[in-house]
Amino acid sequence: AQSVAQPEDQVNVAEGNPLTVKCTYSVSGNPYLFWYVQYPNRGLQFLLKYITGDNLVKGSYGFEAEFNKSQTSFHLKKPSALVSDSALYFCAVRDSVPNSGYALNFGKGTSLLVTP
Amino acid sequence: GAGVSQTPSNKVTEKGKYVELRCDPISGHTALYWYRQSLGQGPEFLIYFQGTGAADDSGLPNDRFFAVRPEGSVSTLKIQRTERGDSAVYLCASSLIAGTGELFFGEGSRLTVL
Repeated sequence: AQSVAQPEDQVNVAEGNPLTVKCTYSVSGNPYLFWYVQYPNRGLQFLLKYITGDNLVKGSYGFEAEFNKSQTSFHLKKPSALVSDSALYFCAVRDSVPNSGYALNFGKGTSLLVTP
Repeated sequence: GAGVSQTPSNKVTEKGKYVELRCDPISGHTALYWYRQSLGQGPEFLIYFQGTGAADDSGLPNDRFFAVRPEGSVSTLKIQRTERGDSAVYLCASSLIAGTGELFFGEGSRLTVL
């Protein structure tokens, strides 16, 4: 079985400060990991993904995430937060094991609030 | 259009009625997914199509839910005998590459069952 956990319902950070949104996962094989962002009244937008290779993945809008196999984590980070980054962030995982299906399993989401 | 299009954007119906939700994916995307998102939750997988066939329908909650994609492009999610618990935002996504490719989501169809 595959699952993903986002332990924080909300993260608050001041503009200009670094931000981290946490994600841990559980899979049988190797994970395919994704981050999506959802702005109010908008569809989910892809930010970045880890499939294989370099553990540090860079994505859209200056976001990056680090795959840590020993800690089964894939935390989302940004060096300097913007007010416009305020949104709902979802981590998602898919197991690479054959016959595990093609569905992405999403976490419940973390609301990021960046204050001026 | 350039993105995934879903209609209607909002649907209010009465308990027991039949509902159809439509998804028009990005042209050329052979993989199509339906998800359901309840308030305060992440998207919950319903069904995945590769081309015209439902490759994985393990997320459909019961036999009141059915989806088709007859020509490998537009898909329709059908819900029979709607219940209040079916109220949610139904999301459609398409992908160029199944499995490792990123999903492109529509803005969703908000279903309210009274």
